[in-house]
Amino acid sequence: DIVMTQTPISSPVTLGQPASISCSSSESLVHSDGNTYLSWLQQRPGQPPRLLIYKTSNRFSGVPDRFSGSGAGTDFTLKISRVETEDVAVYYCMQATQFPWTFGQGTKVEIK
Amino acid sequence: EVQLVESGGGLVQPGESLRLSCVVSGFIFSDYSMNWVRQAPGKGLEWVSHINGRSANIHYADSVEGRFTISRDNAKNSLYLQMNSLRAEDTAVYYCARDLRDNYSIDYWGQGTLVTVSS
Repeated sequence: DIVMTQTPISSPVTLGQPASISCSSSESLVHSDGNTYLSWLQQRPGQPPRLLIYKTSNRFSGVPDRFSGSGAGTDFTLKISRVETEDVAVYYCMQATQFPWTFGQGTKVEIK
Repeated sequence: EVQLVESGGGLVQPGESLRLSCVVSGFIFSDYSMNWVRQAPGKGLEWVSHINGRSANIHYADSVEGRFTISRDNAKNSLYLQMNSLRAEDTAVYYCARDLRDNYSIDYWGQGTLVTVSS
């Protein structure tokens, strides 16, 4: 199984400042079709997860452009350009290149 | 509007069975692959199972292989998870979740149903 590792586990940030979360996979996430199926999800307290980014860098419908994804191979990053109060949540990376699909352990973004 | 509504959760004893259901609306169900994803209390997300639109391709997490069975009824816009031989470690909120069309990802999630396995 592909192991997904996120850093940091917790990220205290100042409102209006940027935040960055890293995710690394135990093996390459490049699919045989050439795509890299790495997604980022946001889970606010008491809510189900919400898709933010798919295929490494594609923002899902309705996601603010302050969220961006990048990376390749085994190393990926989610960036929030200017953190807002509503961004307080746990963020997960997820690989869907190979079954079983696997998630990172989550990164909690909170306001300093 | 896409909606996914799970039901069937509850308290069961170890070794017992439970069947979860998910009724969907707002999209053509048969066009989409579906998943079950679970989250133990206070823990992270764990993918459980995947089924494609015609039920021809099915996958399971190792932790549930042989005990859980995913199925769907496209005529009823419904997804199911039959869970047998339940263990304490199966205690979690179970989410029904839709595949992102033509991509491997999950775009819509239900609110979840809580399964508690305890004696």
